[in-house]
Amino acid sequence: EPEVTQTPSHQVTQMGQEVILRCVPISNHLYFYWYRQILGQKVEFLVSFYNNEISEKSEIFDDQFSVERPDGSNFTLKIRSTKLEDSAMYFCASHSYNEQFFGPGTRLTVL
Amino acid sequence: GQNIDQPTEMTATEGAIVQINCTYQTSGFNGLFWYQQHAGEAPTFLSYNVLDGLEEKGRFSSFLSRSKGYSYLLLKELQMKDSASYLCAVRSPTGGGNKLTFGTGTQLKVEL
Repeated sequence: EPEVTQTPSHQVTQMGQEVILRCVPISNHLYFYWYRQILGQKVEFLVSFYNNEISEKSEIFDDQFSVERPDGSNFTLKIRSTKLEDSAMYFCASHSYNEQFFGPGTRLTVL
Repeated sequence: GQNIDQPTEMTATEGAIVQINCTYQTSGFNGLFWYQQHAGEAPTFLSYNVLDGLEEKGRFSSFLSRSKGYSYLLLKELQMKDSASYLCAVRSPTGGGNKLTFGTGTQLKVEL
C-alpha cells in the first residue's frame, strides 16, 4: 500500500540553525500539507501546497518557514533560523480526495 | 474561527463498546475525519464523513450530524491495542487549502 515517507526520523539542531525536513508524498496525490504537534498538544496545521504553490498557511507559518517541491517526488519544509519553541513532531500529509494520509513524522529538537 | 471539542480521557473494558463524541463549530465544512494516534506515532486514518449518517468499517463506525455540528466514533469489541488517542478533525475549504483542524484528542484506555 502506498505511504507517505519522511526523513529524517529525528533531527537535533542548535538554536539559530537552519533545518530542512523532507517528505515524499503518495505519488498520485496532488495536495500536500505540513502539520506540527508539540509534545502533549494537538496537531496544528502549518501550510498546504497545491499546483506548485502555497494554497493556505497558518499564523505559525511565518517568514522563518518555507516549503518547496524541488522535483516530482520530494516536498520539503525549511526552517531558516530555529527557535526553542520549534521543537515538535512535524508531519507531512497528502491527499487525493477523501483520505488524508500522514507520514511517520520527524521529531525536531532545538537545543 | 474553528472550535472542536472532545472529551480528554475515557476508560473502557476489553470486549465492550465505547462512543467518543466530538462537537464542532467551524467556518466552512468539507468533511469530518477520525484518526487514531499511538504515543510518538503519526495519526492513522480511521474514517471520513461528509454526509449525515453512519459509516461502518469493521469494528469502527462514525456518525455525523451536520445540523448539530456533532459526530461520534463507535468502537466495538474493544481490544487492548485500541488504547490510543482518538482525534476528531474537520476539513474546511476556506483558504482553498482543504486543511484539517484537529481537536485535542480523546485518550482512550482499555482495561481488562
